[in-house]
This record gives sequence, C-alpha cells and structure tokens, in this order.
Amino acid sequence: DQQVKQNSPSLSVQEGRISILNCDYTNSMFDYFLWYKKYPAEGPTFLISISSIKDKNEDGRFTVFLNKSAKHLSLHIVPSQPGDSAVYFCAASSFNRDDKIIFGKGTRLHILP
Amino acid sequence: ETGVTQSPTHLIKTRGQQVTLRCSSQSGHNTVSWYQQALGQGPQFIFQYYREEENGRGNFPPRFSGLQFPNYSSELNVNALELDDSALYLCAGGLAGAYEQYFGPGTRLTVT
Repeated sequence: DQQVKQNSPSLSVQEGRISILNCDYTNSMFDYFLWYKKYPAEGPTFLISISSIKDKNEDGRFTVFLNKSAKHLSLHIVPSQPGDSAVYFCAASSFNRDDKIIFGKGTRLHILP
Repeated sequence: ETGVTQSPTHLIKTRGQQVTLRCSSQSGHNTVSWYQQALGQGPQFIFQYYREEENGRGNFPPRFSGLQFPNYSSELNVNALELDDSALYLCAGGLAGAYEQYFGPGTRLTVT
C-alpha cells in the first residue's frame, strides 16, 4: 500500500520553462514533506521541505506547495535548467514516525534543450 | 557533498550467503538510517540507529541487522541472502529530531 504516490514516472520540459512535479499521500498523520533529487550513481540529495503548518515554501528556483485538504503537494522549478534533469523523490514523515521517511517511487525529469 | 560515504560500491553474492555493508557519516550526524531501493522504486526504510541502538524499524525481517559505532560509522548486515535482496542500499546520516537526512551514494548488491 503506497502511502506516498508519484503517478508520473517521467516528465519532459523545455529548458527555461516551468517544471511541475506532483505527489499525493494517503496518511493524514504525515506532518512534514521533503523533496529529494537523485542523479545516477549518487545518493538522493535533499532539495526542499515543507511543514504541514505551511502551504508554500520557496528556495531560489524551487517552490513546494502543500494542499492538505487534497493530500497533495507539488514541486515547481522555475526556470528549468539542464542540470535539473534527474529523478525527483517526494517523501513524507510524521511526528510519531520512529524517524521513518516514506518515499514515493520517483519522477524522472528530462530538461530538453 | 553530503559527507556520507559507503563501501563497497558494488557487490555480488550468492543466495544464502551473508553480507556486510559499511557507511561512514560526518561528524555531527548522530543518527544513521539504512534504506533499500529496488529497481524502479523509491528508497524503503530498513531501520535507524541512534546512540548505537536501533531506533525505529521498517517492514524488514530480523535477518537485516545493523550496528552504529561511536566514530559515526555504521554497518548493515544481511543474513541468508535471497534473490529479492538485490537492490541499492543507501545509508543516510542525520540529526535526532530533524527530518532531513543526508544520503551516501549507495552500495549496489546483486544476489545470484
């Protein structure tokens, strides 16, 4: 039973345009959400996070939006750059989490020249 | 650069054998977590260690065990290897109470 779902296995976006990666979750106990980026042969790298008390968090070109009522979050990358081509994982955790982070299956983002 | 290293990079074992994977985290990381990432899947939490004791475990059998040492290093041991244990094993360092974790590059284990 997937508690964190990334329904798009891949996404292609033109360089300079906006990339939007989506994530849905089922567990209402989740109170913290994270996005990780992964290049081949490397471990996931922490990108940006958001607490459930917020609905938006911004860091440079990256913005994460959280819609708690819909149990949905999205990562916006503006403008998209070639180095953004990677696999992006959405992840979630809860206060009573045993320090466990639940990951989605990932979305592969291709930035087209 | 996360400051987390893992060894070996790749490993091939035979079904039924035992394997030990190693991780070295940076000073300041007082927790270490291990994840299994099967092909096409996201990382799946195995367990976390804090102050050299297991502090949370995912849905993995007891043949998956670990150790954390005072020098910020850690081991993942898997006994009685099965074909389905073939995966990328990721180690992540972090701080107790903080959600963010910092991953190493992983060890690719193949069980034949």
